[in-house]
Amino acid sequence: AQSVSQHNHHVILSEAASLELGCNYSYGGTVNLFWYVQYPGQHLQLLLKYFSGDPLVKGIKGFEAEFIKSKFSFNLRKPSVQWSDTAEYFCAVRGLNDYKLSFGAGTTVTVRA
Amino acid sequence: EAGVAQSPRYKIIEKRQSVAFWCNPISGHATLYWYQQILGQGPKLLIQFQNNGVVDDSQLPKDRFSAERLKGVDSTLKIQPAKLEDSAVYLCASSYRAGASYNEQFFGPGTRLTVL
Repeated sequence: AQSVSQHNHHVILSEAASLELGCNYSYGGTVNLFWYVQYPGQHLQLLLKYFSGDPLVKGIKGFEAEFIKSKFSFNLRKPSVQWSDTAEYFCAVRGLNDYKLSFGAGTTVTVRA
Repeated sequence: EAGVAQSPRYKIIEKRQSVAFWCNPISGHATLYWYQQILGQGPKLLIQFQNNGVVDDSQLPKDRFSAERLKGVDSTLKIQPAKLEDSAVYLCASSYRAGASYNEQFFGPGTRLTVL
């Protein structure tokens, strides 16, 4: 069975600071990788995804993530956060054998103005 | 285009009562998912439909949970009887079709259930 581990439960930082959220997964096969974001009072929405090719993927709102296959990791980064980046961030993995999406527990990011 | 619709948004019931949630997926989406998200955890898949057939219900507690998707469009998820540990947000998602690596799941706003 696949599992997803997010390293941080809650991250607090100031505007303009850099953000990096860790995500590791376990799965014995080829995977697709996702980061979802949930802004306060809104529904889950896709931030970025990795299927194949360049392991550095860029998403919306200046976010990017790097897939490191040897480390089973898919860390999310943003060089300079804004107050509006305050949200909960979920890493998710989908195995290509069963197409089932498994989520991590999420990381709450609070950006102070 | 309209997103995934869910109702109600909030529900409070007492244990042993029954409750039902409704989901209307994005028009044309063949695949529909129900997830349970307990506070402090990520969403967990309960059941997946492809049109009106069940693809995966391995994590659905079938002694108390049931779901249907008549006519392959709207879906209802029912809990009967509810337990305290069923308190969670129930998310519905849809995608164009399953089994394709490029598919994106679109999520609804969820129904927050509190069982007292």
